[in-house]
This record gives sequence, structure tokens and C-alpha cells, in this order.
Amino acid sequence: ETGVTQSPTHLIKTRGQQVTLRCSSQSGHNTVSWYQQALGQGPQFIFQYYREEENGRGNFPPRFSGLQFPNYSSELNVNALELDDSALYLCATNSKQGATGELFFGEGSRLTVL
Amino acid sequence: GQQLNQSPQSMFIQEGEDVSMNCTSSSIFNTWLWYKQDPGEGPVLLIALYKAGELTSNGRLTAQFGITRKDSFLNISASIPSDVGIYFCAGQIQGAQKLVFGQGTRLTINP
Repeated sequence: ETGVTQSPTHLIKTRGQQVTLRCSSQSGHNTVSWYQQALGQGPQFIFQYYREEENGRGNFPPRFSGLQFPNYSSELNVNALELDDSALYLCATNSKQGATGELFFGEGSRLTVL
Repeated sequence: GQQLNQSPQSMFIQEGEDVSMNCTSSSIFNTWLWYKQDPGEGPVLLIALYKAGELTSNGRLTAQFGITRKDSFLNISASIPSDVGIYFCAGQIQGAQKLVFGQGTRLTINP
């Protein structure tokens, strides 16, 4: 039990639609990261938020955007969905201050784009 | 960009056997981490390594941070059925927010 909760767990969208994925942390850590994990691959860094500001971004286009709220919950938004966006989307918080690689991951939201 | 090459991609072993997997990169990392992912779950941290040459154990798991800072290995001794899953190495550059993950090693154990 990592204390990181993601919703929804599964969803199906069609190409061109928009999706919002949500993440909350019991511990209230002020850093949240989002990763995309395609089938059979390792997770890929999308971006990180710290104190409600984007604090680093991976190689993803601007149609991937995020928000972090004062209660440290977070959203990942993806516009103009493409078939290749089908993946498991993972939210993670830092397990302890200063150890930015030691992450608690949620169970993920599995997105299927048809 | 940075890439981690993890091997082997899959392993089929008998219960009780020892397991060894490794991860190499053309880039230097300041932190190496090993995660395990079970079906339907997110990755769970097993071991974190912060110094070149460091050897760290967590129960039956032992991991080392390569002296060149471009590689790491993970050993599992006396494997048990609950060790089944996918093991990922991950590297982090100092000051960077992101982790770079390998493609994973899928471990299957025959009882």
C-alpha cells in the first residue's frame, strides 16, 4: 500500500478525444511525477510538479499537460488522443524528502485509445 | 537520449535458484534504483544506490552500483514464488527530476 491513489483504473477513448486522469496521495508529498508505460516497456517520464508548478518535462508534446492542486492531488490531461497514447499512466510521489528517485507509484490508469 | 539496456529480457528458473540481472548505459548516472512490478500494480522500490561501487542488500536481494557509474546489477538468492514479476532498473542524473527506466526483466519461477 503506497498511499497513492489513481482514478479511473481503466478507460477507453476514441482518437481525437480528451482525457483527464487523477492522482491523490495520503501523505501529502509536495512533488508528483507522471509516467507513461507502454505495453512491454519501462515507464517513461512525462513531467513533474512541485508546489503546483511544472518542475521538469520529458519528451512529450504540449497536448500532455498537468495540474497540481494545493492539497497536492494532481491531474494529467491529454488532448487530441492518438492511438499511440494507449498505455498505463502512472503517478508517483517521493517517498522521502531529498531522495527524488525513491518513488511511491500508484496502480496506474490504463488508457485504451480506439 | 539516455537509454538503459537491461538483460536478460526474461528468465525462467526453478524455485530455489539464484537470479542475476543487469543494466548498462552509455551515460553516467548518479543514482541507480531497482523496482519490481507485479501485474496490475505500479512499480515498487526494492533498492536505491547512491555511490559508485556501493553494494546494498535488502533481504535476499543484493544490488551494486557499477564503478564506472554506467551499470548496475541485481541478484536474488534462493528464489521463491513471490519473486515472480518484472524487475526494472532506473537511473537518475544529479539534479534531474526524471528517472530513466530499463525495459525490464520478466522473471518466471517453476515450482
